[in-house]
Amino acid sequence: GAVVSQHPSWVICKSGTSVKIECRSLDFQATTMFWYRQFPKQSLMLMATSNEGSKATYEQGVEKDKFLINHASLTLSTLTVTSAHPEDSSFYICSAIGPLPNSPLHFGNGTRLTVT
Amino acid sequence: SQQGEEDPQALSIQEGENATMNCSYKTSINNLQWYRQNSGRGLVHLILIRSNEREKHSGRLRVTLDTSKKSSSLLITASRAADTASYFCATDPTDSWGKLQFGAGTQVVVTP
Repeated sequence: GAVVSQHPSWVICKSGTSVKIECRSLDFQATTMFWYRQFPKQSLMLMATSNEGSKATYEQGVEKDKFLINHASLTLSTLTVTSAHPEDSSFYICSAIGPLPNSPLHFGNGTRLTVT
Repeated sequence: SQQGEEDPQALSIQEGENATMNCSYKTSINNLQWYRQNSGRGLVHLILIRSNEREKHSGRLRVTLDTSKKSSSLLITASRAADTASYFCATDPTDSWGKLQFGAGTQVVVTP
């Protein structure tokens, strides 16, 4: 079964509203989680690295005030898309990894966000 | 940012044929992984090859890695219609475990 649960699997929201996406590790402690964005027919682009108990590290070009990441526990990281606009419509995927060297990496099933 | 390139961008073959796709990358890696993604769905992990390995097999999949050329290839033998998907390579850099950088992907269509 899935070891990383991502919720919701899809969401439709109106322009200007905020949307929260959750990424949970189900049977391991995820000290680090990664958030990716994928536009249609494109590859996955890393948005940010989320470490438990500390601020996320954002990739160049990703607005940290727009994409709020919280990793308050060892099993949960959240991505909040604030004041969403149609251009934020995308597929968002998280991955999680444990604390040990060479810990396996697990991906969530992704969240399809559509902003109308 | 994306680590590297994949080619071809698209590949159309018939069932029973082999499909080969290539991936190039730029930095030092711990390992290189291949994923499959069906349209609009999540990623399916196919195979991981470590930096000290040169070739790896898993069922109908064969992966090679040439660290001197910073390139990898994925071969799918005896393809099936169910193999229709996008295939991505992803490199795991030596300086940040788990922070995968994905290639551009190859869209494979297998016709019956």
